Amino acid sequence: QKEVEQNSGPLSVPEGAIASLNCTYSDRGSQSFFWYRQYSGKSPELIMSIYSNGDKEDGRFTAQLNKASQYVSLLIRDSQPSDSATYLCAVSQGAQKLVFGQGTRLTINP
Amino acid sequence: AAGVIQSPRHLIKEKRETATLKCYPIPRHDTVYWYQQGPGQDPQFLISFYEKMQSDKGSIPDRFSAQQFSDYHSELNMSSLELGDSALYFCASSPLEGTGETQYFGPGTRLLVL
Repeated sequence: QKEVEQNSGPLSVPEGAIASLNCTYSDRGSQSFFWYRQYSGKSPELIMSIYSNGDKEDGRFTAQLNKASQYVSLLIRDSQPSDSATYLCAVSQGAQKLVFGQGTRLTINP
Repeated sequence: AAGVIQSPRHLIKEKRETATLKCYPIPRHDTVYWYQQGPGQDPQFLISFYEKMQSDKGSIPDRFSAQQFSDYHSELNMSSLELGDSALYFCASSPLEGTGETQYFGPGTRLLVL
């Protein structure tokens, strides 16, 4: 079992709808949680970081963290075709190395 | 804003050859991380450096070595290359170890071993 698990994809969402991405992690000592977006062949690009329980909003993106349930999610509102990418959940442990989930491929259909 | 710089961007090598990948972190970032991403896989942590000292080690083969220099740039040296080493290699930097600071990724080096 991977230390970080993401909901299996691919995920297809119509343009303008809400895309919901989920992630669970196994290490209760994890302190920092990140969502990265990665286009094919490109490097991971930070979307959101979250460190404490609750919601964190940035524009069309909302990250949610529940440490008791060891669960992190990312909501994308008003989805745009340019949001089509692979979304990587990453968790920071120990000396801050990132442990990634397997990624969820999201497609926004015009 | 300045970003992480990696060179070369593309590299083609033969089996058993050596390769050196370079990473220049964002100015005033003192921590560097190396990740390997195979086709269709998530990035896997290889090694990290803080203030020129190795701070953590992941699934890095013994054939690979790395170091961080006085100007904080880092080099990943790969010897006896194998076909399975073909991957994207990312360097990331962050401003301070141990505080949960975000890692910013460079554009990557695409290594192809023939």
